[in-house]
Amino acid sequence: DAGVTQSPTHLIKTRGQQVTLRCSPKSGHDTVSWYQQALGQGPQFIFQYYEEEERQRGNFPDRFSGHQFPNYSSELNVNALLLGDSALYLCASSLQFRETQYFGPGTRLLVL
Amino acid sequence: GESVGLHLPTLSVQEGDNSIINCAYSNSASDYFIWYKQESGKGPQFIIDIRSNMDKRQGQRVTVLLNKTVKHLSLQIAATQPGDSAVYFCAENYPGGTSYGKLTFGQGTILTVHP
Repeated sequence: DAGVTQSPTHLIKTRGQQVTLRCSPKSGHDTVSWYQQALGQGPQFIFQYYEEEERQRGNFPDRFSGHQFPNYSSELNVNALLLGDSALYLCASSLQFRETQYFGPGTRLLVL
Repeated sequence: GESVGLHLPTLSVQEGDNSIINCAYSNSASDYFIWYKQESGKGPQFIIDIRSNMDKRQGQRVTVLLNKTVKHLSLQIAATQPGDSAVYFCAENYPGGTSYGKLTFGQGTILTVHP
């Protein structure tokens, strides 16, 4: 039974570029949440997708957007990258939005 | 606002000792709490959870205690092993409006286990 998978594992971009990160949820899960984790800090909630819709959103600008596909996988898009967007981006999945979230290994993004 | 904090940022123990990691939360309406373990370069790994209608829950070598009176959460690890060395995060879920499923994390506690 595969857990949460994310791709790519590492990514280097320059300021102003755009990036797309991908997540496949744990088998049987239908809800995907995205978090940003800066070095030395706890994860910060970006947004959550359920039934292909953004259910709720954290305190992140509109440069951060997402999508959920019919197979429950999800993408996180970040436009106009800033140096401060450098972080570990984590995807978590759950069976419906009310249940325990299980995290993937993350994508390490470095913006130069 | 909603926040979760930890009393101790670092904890060093000897192998075989019991470890206790503490967490304070500020929102008395939070009804679900999770402990995660994060090893270097990896995503958070689920350890144990507890709902607000309970005050204690046990897993394999781990116990979570919830004291709603003082808004305090703790994780007890029995017979700590070197493989337990990691950063431990507590997270809370506040069921206000549509925010269910939005976990708020504390800053983390670094646990170091010495052989």
